[in-house]
Amino acid sequence: ETGVTQTPRHLVMGMTNKKSLKCEQHLGHNAMYWYKQSAKKPLELMFVYSLEERVENNSVPSRFSPECPNSSHLFLHLHTLQPEDSALYLCASSREGQNTGELFFGEGSRLTVL
Amino acid sequence: GDSVTQMEGPVTLSEEAFLTINCTYTATGYPSLFWYVQYPGEGLQLLLKATKADDKGSNKGFEATYRKETTSFHLEKGSVQVSDSAVYFCASNQAGTALIFGKGTTLSVSS
Repeated sequence: ETGVTQTPRHLVMGMTNKKSLKCEQHLGHNAMYWYKQSAKKPLELMFVYSLEERVENNSVPSRFSPECPNSSHLFLHLHTLQPEDSALYLCASSREGQNTGELFFGEGSRLTVL
Repeated sequence: GDSVTQMEGPVTLSEEAFLTINCTYTATGYPSLFWYVQYPGEGLQLLLKATKADDKGSNKGFEATYRKETTSFHLEKGSVQVSDSAVYFCASNQAGTALIFGKGTTLSVSS
């Protein structure tokens, strides 16, 4: 069992829907991340939270809205998405705070936008 | 800005063949370097790392040496197995900055 759990594993939504992705880490880490993984592209860092405070947002469209209610949970709220947002969304956590190289990833949530 | 470039895949090998996946980086300072692996249907997991020049990271029979003179961190394994089939990502990071990933190289090993 991975120390980082993501739900749902698969999600299909229309462009007008609102949905959320959830991530939970059981490792006692204090930083959490959202990455987007698309075919033929490098992983894209979307958001970083350290000690529950957002410290990095790489110019992500406002249709993606993160939430970090505590150091163990991270959400990605989705609304009015576009088909090009279809991708694998990976959550990760790290032990020593933001921007360390050793990340622990979940298995990802595969999102399809119709 | 900093970047990581790794060889295009896919790489297709027979079991017990020698593996090399090339990775080069550009950085203004001296980053730490990493190889991550993603098995089918799973998230990424750290395979090995090196934090300074001439360091060699190793794990599960894989090795990579941090070469400052060639700004490289090539991944090698002497004898691959079918179970090594996965996507391999080279990455770099400097203290206080986000991890930068390459595009990934798909390895397929057949028996």
